[in-house]
Amino acid sequence: KQEVTQIPAALSVPEGENLVLNCSFTDSAIYNLQWFRQDPGKGLTSLLLIQSSQREQTSGRLNASLDKSSGRSTLYIAASQPGDSATYLCAVSDMETSGSRLTFGEGTQLTVNP
Amino acid sequence: KAGVTQTPRYLIKTRGQQVTLSCSPISGHRSVSWYQQTPGQGLQFLFEYFSETQRNKGNFPGRFSGRQFSNSRSEMNVSTLELGDSALYLCASSLERGGEKLFFGSGTQLSVL
Repeated sequence: KQEVTQIPAALSVPEGENLVLNCSFTDSAIYNLQWFRQDPGKGLTSLLLIQSSQREQTSGRLNASLDKSSGRSTLYIAASQPGDSATYLCAVSDMETSGSRLTFGEGTQLTVNP
Repeated sequence: KAGVTQTPRYLIKTRGQQVTLSCSPISGHRSVSWYQQTPGQGLQFLFEYFSETQRNKGNFPGRFSGRQFSNSRSEMNVSTLELGDSALYLCASSLERGGEKLFFGSGTQLSVL
């Protein structure tokens, strides 16, 4: 059974700092990996999707990497802003369902202080 | 383009009742998935529908069911509600098959008293 772990559970940083969020998964047979952002009481917003054959994806100040063999992914946020404060969730989709079923980590709650 | 719309936004029910939640996907999206989010268990996959057919199902009891209509709108139903069913229920849509970028709605917050 796939298990996804995110470290740290919570992180508080001053504005402008670069930061890294970590995600690990137990079964390397994944279809893809996605990073999401969730604001309080809201749904999820997809930030980056990395296919299993890819090593990284970039969007603006965000960069996500994937090392499938070691079961790890990182989300790098450059020059953090207070608006980045949210919970960040990592999710992997499995080959068995051709990517339809996502297994989520518990998330990292990020606070960026002005 | 309108996003994924879930109704109602909030629901309060009592144990033993049943509830129906609705999800309208982004126009043109044919796949709809449902997830349950609780503080203790996090986000868990309920089921996925594509072209009115349930394509995949998570590990939830038979009290949880769903369906999809020809216009891709989806409903999920929970019968004989239990206290533990209190959760945020999230719907997500994607264009076609699994493995694509998912677009989530804001969810329905269900409280079972």
